Parts: sequence; structure tokens; C-alpha cells
Amino acid sequence: DTGVSQNPRHKITKRGQNVTFRCDPISEHNRLYWYRQTLGQGPEFLTYFQNEAQLEKSRLLSDRFSAERPKGSFSTLEIQRTEQGDSAMYLCASSLLAGGPGHNNEQFFGPGTRLTVL
Amino acid sequence: DQQVKQNSPSLSVQEGRISILNCDYTNSMFDYFLWYKKYPAEGPTFLISISSIKDKNEDGRFTVFLNKSAKHLSLHIVPSQPGDSAVYFCAAGRSYQLTFGKGTKLSVIP
Repeated sequence: DTGVSQNPRHKITKRGQNVTFRCDPISEHNRLYWYRQTLGQGPEFLTYFQNEAQLEKSRLLSDRFSAERPKGSFSTLEIQRTEQGDSAMYLCASSLLAGGPGHNNEQFFGPGTRLTVL
Repeated sequence: DQQVKQNSPSLSVQEGRISILNCDYTNSMFDYFLWYKKYPAEGPTFLISISSIKDKNEDGRFTVFLNKSAKHLSLHIVPSQPGDSAVYFCAAGRSYQLTFGKGTKLSVIP
């Protein structure tokens, strides 16, 4: 399977604990994104990497959140001192920087990590 | 301020008929648009996209129409199949960033 993969699929943690999620994008994709989705909402943009460089961070990404993509391949999203409001589905997506004629920056999503903070 | 709106939370259609899902946007700077389908407990699956310089794009049973003057796009599914039952998200893009609507739940009745 050459799609986007995310681990773990589910994470239950207690308030105040730290959690880390991993995303493996499609291998030839140089753009990687993190989104958060809550019930009844569409995915909300969190941050964007082009290769290993983090080029954009949403205002939604508080100081407790940090993301890395150390070698321009997989990425990790860490949440420190989790709060109940962090409970959500965390989605990773990837795309090609330049996909040729007709390319519209189609982003391909992984299955997500469902975080529950008790 | 919601820049991408899907005003119908749900839609029911008979199998074999046409499904039309609508989306409105407010920012004229968006330069491409995409539709995604999402099943429960899965990530969104890309369906079809359209550049802002086009007014129609077709891929099999799926056609997306863009009306820039009205800031409106729609997704047509013909013929609708029970497996199309899912939540459909409209997304508008500017450079690398996507802004999503809240989704429309489509139910195709056999």
C-alpha cells in the first residue's frame, strides 16, 4: 500500500500527558500537512511542510503543539500537556509540489489518529 | 467567518438518480477547488478537482461545475450508487492551503 499512513490509529490519554503521532506520506510527495477535525466540522489546517522545512503554522497550533519532519520524509506531531479540548481526529495529508498540467495540489489523506483526552 | 459553506447538512437520493452537492465560497482569491468523500473512521478520499480558470471537470460518474461569478460550485454524481453514501467535503485552495466546508452527508437509497 503506497498511500499515506498514520500511527497510532487511536490514542486515549489522560489530561496533562504528552502524546506523539506519526505520519508517513506518499513517498514521492514533498509537501506534508497536518489537519485537525472535530465532530460536525471539516478538517482544519494546522501546519505545512515543504520537504523538511515547516513553512506555515495555523493560529490553531498553540505552543503545546510541535511538528517535525526531520529528513523530509515522515513527520511527527507532538502535543504536550494534553487538554480535553485536544480530543479530535488528527489527519495527515501529502501532495506533490508540482504535478504538471491540470495539477490542483490534490492532497491525499491518511486514515487519521483519533485522540481522546480523559 | 466561514469562507467555504456547504449549506445542506444532508441529502437523500434514490439509487440510479442524480446527486447534486453544493458549495459556496466567499474568497475570490481561491484558485482551485476539490471534493473529498469521507467514510466514518477514515480519512477523506480525494474525488475530483477544478482550477478556477475552468467551469467544468468530469471524471467518470463525477462532474464538478464552477460558477465564479456566483462563487458557487457543485458536484454531480450520475448515476448514484449505494456505495456513494458518505460525507462529502468541498475544499477551496489558495497556494498550498485548503479551507474545507462542514460537509454534506449523502444517503443513496437502494
